[in-house]
Amino acid sequence: DTAVSQTPKYLVTQMGNDKSIKCEQNLGHDTMYWYKQDSKKFLKIMFSYNNKELIINETVPNRFSPKSPDKAHLNLHINSLELGDSAVYFCASSQLGMGKETQYFGPGTRLLVL
Amino acid sequence: GQQVMQIPQYQHVQEGEDFTTYCNSSTTLSNIQWYKQRPGGHPVFLIQLVKSGEVKKQKRLTFQFGEAKKNSSLHITATQTTDVGTYFCAGRGNQFYFGTGTSLTVIP
Repeated sequence: DTAVSQTPKYLVTQMGNDKSIKCEQNLGHDTMYWYKQDSKKFLKIMFSYNNKELIINETVPNRFSPKSPDKAHLNLHINSLELGDSAVYFCASSQLGMGKETQYFGPGTRLLVL
Repeated sequence: GQQVMQIPQYQHVQEGEDFTTYCNSSTTLSNIQWYKQRPGGHPVFLIQLVKSGEVKKQKRLTFQFGEAKKNSSLHITATQTTDVGTYFCAGRGNQFYFGTGTSLTVIP
């Protein structure tokens, strides 16, 4: 059973398009995250949701809009895609307040904007 | 704002040599975690350290948390080709942040 799953795994699209990435976790965690990893491997947190409420919203263009329909899902919608959005996007989940906060990552979505 | 830097950014070693990556935070951390990301893969949790000065070992890997809880290190003894990947530290100061990562290449 996959703990954190993301779809799609690969996404190739034209500049200006709108696209969505979906994430689901079956670990029963209360917190989910979106990270962006660039070509230099830097992992930059974008958003975090705890029990469907937004708790972290780093400086991210407002073309990026997360949506959490329930605790097990966190989707990312991107409007008007730009070349600089090309990266690997990772979803992750954790259980806050347990003193451990281990992050479990999905396999990533490789986005290429042409 | 809080920053977590790792050095070196890249390291190439011959198989059998030792390797160390250092993690430095601008703020005191309540805990430090280490993750490994294989090429083409996703970060996977390795270990967490909580106490000041704590040292933990996992086979050839030794993890240390500094006395001031602002730095940490990961040391690999006698590297193998299976150690290839990017190693990230991560910790909670005012927020939970990942370090900048160290990409390790092991030359057979």
